[in-house]
Amino acid sequence: AQSVTQLGSHVSVSEGALVLLRCNYSSSVPPYLFWYVQYPNQGLQLLLKYTTGATLVKGINGFEAEFKKSETSFHLTKPSAHMSDAAEYFCAVTKGASGGYQKVTFGTGTKLQVIP
Amino acid sequence: EAQVTQNPRYLITVTGKKLTVTCSQNMNHEYMSWYRQDPGLGLRQIYYSMNVEVTDKGDVPEGYKVSRKEKRNFPLILESPSPNQTSLYFCASNSPQGGIRSAFFGQGTRLTVV
Repeated sequence: AQSVTQLGSHVSVSEGALVLLRCNYSSSVPPYLFWYVQYPNQGLQLLLKYTTGATLVKGINGFEAEFKKSETSFHLTKPSAHMSDAAEYFCAVTKGASGGYQKVTFGTGTKLQVIP
Repeated sequence: EAQVTQNPRYLITVTGKKLTVTCSQNMNHEYMSWYRQDPGLGLRQIYYSMNVEVTDKGDVPEGYKVSRKEKRNFPLILESPSPNQTSLYFCASNSPQGGIRSAFFGQGTRLTVV
């Protein structure tokens, strides 16, 4: 079985501050991990994914995440928050190589608020 | 333009009246999935399909059916909708060869069952 826990359903940061969204996973096999963003009234957009290889993954819009097997974590970071980053973020785990196929388990989401 | 199209975007129906939510993608993707999104629960996978005529259950398949007769289409069928199926539904498609932007989601279908 696989599961994802996102710590903090709401996170607030000041514009220009570091963004840190936490994700811990549980998986019986080496996982593939993903972060998605959802803007209001829109579908999800893939930010980045980890499959194999380099544990520090860079994504779109300046986001990155680091896979830490020893901590079973895949936290999402961005050095400097922009107002446009305000959205809901979802972490997901799957055994497959691409988000959206095979059995995918999502976290419950973290809403990011950016304060001017 | 590459996209996943869901119809309808909004639907209000009555308990027990069969309905179908359509999903179509124009990227020739092998993989397609359906999810439901509920407040506090995130997204939960209903069904997925790895290719034509190949489908499998996700985490919450009860009360839903799917079919994949053509590569581009993956309709979600509710044979006898109930109020607990009131939710926001998303269809997604993906290709195993794709890069970071390879996963596409539809705009969502907000279903209310009264």
